[in-house]
Amino acid sequence: QLVLTQSPSASASLGASVKLTCTLSSGHSSYAIAWHQQQPEKGPRYLMKLNSDGSHSKGDGIPDRFSGSSSGAERYLTISSLQSEDEADYYCQTWGTGPHWVFGGGTKLTVL
Amino acid sequence: EVQLVESGGGLVQPGGSLRLSCAASGFTFSSYEMNWVRQAPGKGLEWVSYISSSGSTIYYADSVKGRFTISRDNAKNSLYLQMNSLRAEDTAVYYCARDSGDGYNYPDYWGQGTLVTVSS
Repeated sequence: QLVLTQSPSASASLGASVKLTCTLSSGHSSYAIAWHQQQPEKGPRYLMKLNSDGSHSKGDGIPDRFSGSSSGAERYLTISSLQSEDEADYYCQTWGTGPHWVFGGGTKLTVL
Repeated sequence: EVQLVESGGGLVQPGGSLRLSCAASGFTFSSYEMNWVRQAPGKGLEWVSYISSSGSTIYYADSVKGRFTISRDNAKNSLYLQMNSLRAEDTAVYYCARDSGDGYNYPDYWGQGTLVTVSS
């Protein structure tokens, strides 16, 4: 069964960097994913598609501070030079033969 | 600029019906697959339904199969979700989302959502 696992929360200081992790379930380590940001009281926003080799393509207007990388079954979202507006929920998402889209549980990022 | 604007949410009693709409602009709507995704209060995102660009292929999550119907009107640049036999657990913000269209299946644009509350 295709499952994406994310830590429920993360925190980092203003101006610092943070690396969020999304783990693909066993047997699905080659899957690409997408990262989405959801600021408080807003709809989600597409950030990037991330392939298993670490290559990624970002959505319109996404700053260079956002980058992606991969290692095995893990997919990462790194945010550098953290700003207050980066405080949000971050969801990874992939696609399978069962549900069309599968989402991770989300990581709530707090900027200290 | 791509825009997706949902409407039609509101308060409905258990067992009732509601029809959501999503007005699309800024892109060639008829060329893109579309989806509905929902988010229960304080919870994560849950995919609900998919429709192909022509409307000929449709998928549903097991949780809504047999109760919800997705449709589209390409002439009106609009996506719809007819929700019947609503339950308390259908309470959520409903988002329409565009499938990327690049051969991979991920949402590259989202609407702002419309809230559906199922309660007596």
